[in-house]
Amino acid sequence: QKEVEQDPGPLSVPEGAIVSLNCTYSNSAFQYFMWYRQYSRKGPELLMYTYSSGNKEDGRFTAQVDKSSKYISLFIRDSQPSDSATYLCAMSAYGSARQLTFGSGTQLTVLP
Amino acid sequence: DTGVSQDPRHKITKRGQNVTFRCDPISEHNRLYWYRQTLGQGPEFLTYFQNEAQLEKSRLLSDRFSAERPKGSFSTLEIQRTEQGDSAMYLCASSFRAEAFFGQGTRLTVV
Repeated sequence: QKEVEQDPGPLSVPEGAIVSLNCTYSNSAFQYFMWYRQYSRKGPELLMYTYSSGNKEDGRFTAQVDKSSKYISLFIRDSQPSDSATYLCAMSAYGSARQLTFGSGTQLTVLP
Repeated sequence: DTGVSQDPRHKITKRGQNVTFRCDPISEHNRLYWYRQTLGQGPEFLTYFQNEAQLEKSRLLSDRFSAERPKGSFSTLEIQRTEQGDSAMYLCASSFRAEAFFGQGTRLTVV
C-alpha cells in the first residue's frame, strides 16, 4: 500500500462547479501538506501549503487537513476551464521539499 | 524569468550513454531538490542540497546517478550508462523556506 493514496480520476465537471479533490495517507509523521497543479508536460506549480490540521483559503481554493483521519482535501470554487490540469497532493515530515511524498495525481477537466 | 530553470527541456539518448542535466534555482534559494516523475505518477524524491552540501539521497539514486551543486548555485544531475528504465521527467525544485518551486523539468527518453 502506498503512503499517499489519491483517486486518479479522471474527473470531469461543468464550468462553475465546486470541485473536491482528496488524498489519504498512512504516515503519522507527515506535518506539512501541499497541493500542486500540473499542466501537461509542465512542472508542478505550488497552489497551497498548510501545516498540521486546519483550513487555509486562497481565492477560489481552500485546503483542509484532518490529521486525525489522515485525510486532506482541496476545494476549488467556481471552477474554470483553465483549472483543467492534474492536481497532486504532497506531504512531508519536514518544513520544506525534503522527501516530499506525492500522490499519483487527479486529472481534472472543467468543461465550458 | 525568475523561476527555476532547467536545461535541456528534452533529451533523447541511446542506452548506455551518459547524460547530464542542469538546474538553475531561484536566486537566493539555498535549498535545491531533484525529483523524478514517470507517466501517470507523482514525482519521487531523489536528492536534496542545502547550499553546496548534498544532505539527503533517496535509495532511488543508484550509483549510476550523481548530483552536484558547486558553490551552492546551479546543480547538475548526471546519469551514467543510461537504461530504458531511466526514461522519465527529471524535476528540479528550490526553496528558501518551506514552499518549494519546481522547474519545467527535463524529459529524458532512453532508446
